[in-house]
Amino acid sequence: EAGVAQSPRYKIIEKRQSVAFWCNPISGHATLYWYQQILGQGPKLLIQFQNNGVVDDSQLPKDRFSAERLKGVDSTLKIQPAKLEDSAVYLCASSSRVRLAGETQYFGPGTRLLVL
Amino acid sequence: AQSVTQPDIHITVSEGASLELRCNYSYGATPYLFWYVQSPGQGLQLLLKYFSGDTLVQGIKGFEAEFKRSQSSFNLRKPSVHWSDAAEYFCAVGMNYGGSQGNLIFGKGTKLSVKP
Repeated sequence: EAGVAQSPRYKIIEKRQSVAFWCNPISGHATLYWYQQILGQGPKLLIQFQNNGVVDDSQLPKDRFSAERLKGVDSTLKIQPAKLEDSAVYLCASSSRVRLAGETQYFGPGTRLLVL
Repeated sequence: AQSVTQPDIHITVSEGASLELRCNYSYGATPYLFWYVQSPGQGLQLLLKYFSGDTLVQGIKGFEAEFKRSQSSFNLRKPSVHWSDAAEYFCAVGMNYGGSQGNLIFGKGTKLSVKP
């Protein structure tokens, strides 16, 4: 079974530029998560999708971040415009069932973003 | 507010020695608890999880964790550390109610170094 795929693996941009990250979850997984992991910290949830609908985006900075999961499969996270403090690893995770607290989340390798 | 505390930022142990990584949580309901491991440049991999039953949980790679409700702790242990265990370890609590159901709240992580 293929794992969670993410691209690109690394990205360097200048502040005020735009950037987009792509995630393809494990086949058949209903729930998809985007996390932000700043250096020296644990991952922080940005947004959770259930199939193609958003169920929790309370921690997403909506003035600059956006995400979509068209057709309930792969997902894109965008930052526009980027700030220096957005430098982080962006992790995508998926789980097979819908919003169960004990459900295992499977993580991709992440996209490391550096904003100069 | 829900939170996870990992008091040790960095731990160094000798290969073959025992290991204990500490985790304390603050959560208003019955917690769902997880330990994940992250190797450099990799995503997070689940080591073990607890949500009911026996308070001593066995995981992969020879790890175990013990849930102690009275101490609000979920410490990770391994009797004999291998050089390949060098990584960063994250404790997390799973939200099991409300709009954030299914989300994970992570601690800041403990980096484990292994001396030969």
